[in-house]
Amino acid sequence: AQTVTQSQPEMSVQEAETVTLSCTYDTSESDYYLFWYKQPPSRQMILVIRQEAYKQQNATENRFSVNFQKAAKSFSLKISDSQLGDAAMYFCASHQGGSEKLVFGKGTKLTVNP
Amino acid sequence: DTGVSQDPRHKITKRGQNVTFRCDPISEHNRLYWYRQTLGQGPEFLTYFQNEAQLEKSRLLSDRFSAERPKGSFSTLEIQRTEQGDSAMYLCASRSLDFGLAGNDGELFFGEGSRLTVL
Repeated sequence: AQTVTQSQPEMSVQEAETVTLSCTYDTSESDYYLFWYKQPPSRQMILVIRQEAYKQQNATENRFSVNFQKAAKSFSLKISDSQLGDAAMYFCASHQGGSEKLVFGKGTKLTVNP
Repeated sequence: DTGVSQDPRHKITKRGQNVTFRCDPISEHNRLYWYRQTLGQGPEFLTYFQNEAQLEKSRLLSDRFSAERPKGSFSTLEIQRTEQGDSAMYLCASRSLDFGLAGNDGELFFGEGSRLTVL
């Protein structure tokens, strides 16, 4: 069974600084995808970034990048130049090829201080 | 494109009552998903549809829960004889299998959720 673990219930960062959110996962499959989703207060969850397991290159989306360590089953999210609008719950999730189920971690609440 | 919409946004009910939630996915998205999110937890998969066919159900979906998508468009999630443990946010999401759209494989578009409180 897939599991996703986020060991940081809360994190804080100063505006314009960089923060890294941690995630580890466990799967027996070779074909899988990893995601970071952002859930602002009282708003819908949106995709921040995704990583295909077969790609060695780390995904980047503007200020968001990941550090994908396949052997260690680690998938951390780095947010550069943090902005007030980045404050939200961040969920790490995994998706196995052939399955329609996303498995989520418990989330990390990110606070951005002005 | 107005996104995934869910109704009602909030529902307060007494234990033992039945409740129904509705989800309208993004038009032309043929896959629709229901997730449940309790306080302090990440969303948990409940079920999904491809068009009108319900293809997978989680063991979390007890026999008090039923989901339908009769015409392959909107979906309903009904909870019968509600219990206090059913209190949660019920999230709907959709995606398309057409890789030509923005919804690439694995990316779900979520609604804002329906929050259920069972007293």
